[in-house]
Amino acid sequence: SAVISQKPSRDICQRGTSLTIQCQVDSQVTMMFWYRQQPGQSLTLIATANQGSEATYESGFVIDKFPISRPNLTFSTLTVSNMSPEDSSIYLCSVVMEGAGPYGYTFGSGTRLTVV
Amino acid sequence: DAKTTQPPSMDCAEGRAANLPCNHSTISGNEYVYWYRQIHSQGPQYIIHGLKNNETNEMASLIITEDRKSSTLILPHATLRDTAVYYCIVRQTSYDKVIFGPGTSLSVIP
Repeated sequence: SAVISQKPSRDICQRGTSLTIQCQVDSQVTMMFWYRQQPGQSLTLIATANQGSEATYESGFVIDKFPISRPNLTFSTLTVSNMSPEDSSIYLCSVVMEGAGPYGYTFGSGTRLTVV
Repeated sequence: DAKTTQPPSMDCAEGRAANLPCNHSTISGNEYVYWYRQIHSQGPQYIIHGLKNNETNEMASLIITEDRKSSTLILPHATLRDTAVYYCIVRQTSYDKVIFGPGTSLSVIP
């Protein structure tokens, strides 16, 4: 399976600011996804990061709040914009590697964000 | 995607088998049943998947009923390290996005 490096691993940010989270994969992957996990909750899919085009957002998530880039097949960023305390969560990047079967769907270790 | 229902929590004694049920009564014929788990503060981890036959790997066994409306994940000899949230998901292919439900929080007790 792919090895995912997610940065930063954690951060404490002031409300009203923005944070960009990076997801770097050690090999080319077919698909990349971004999830949010609020405290004590399950994972919620934010969007599918599409290479070379706009991301596909799930219901309840918008591009102005969570802009996503994917310039190539190994890298993506998620920005959390104009943050409020409600944005305090773990944000996870996940990838699908073609040909790797079910083991090809792997997750990064996440970015723990606290907004104060 | 079909939806699944799981009990919110379960306990299991260390060394005993942990049997985690999942209902997926609206599953369609081309959808697989996948199981993932999330150990505290880590990303989810794939465990096993199946279509209609029972499956076994080094981590677990998956028993799917004949009508495919429910399944059971079996951890044959639970250890403390198996304490985690277990997610049952149905999807068509390995490339489909994974939509997580609440899952089952399994506590393995010494």
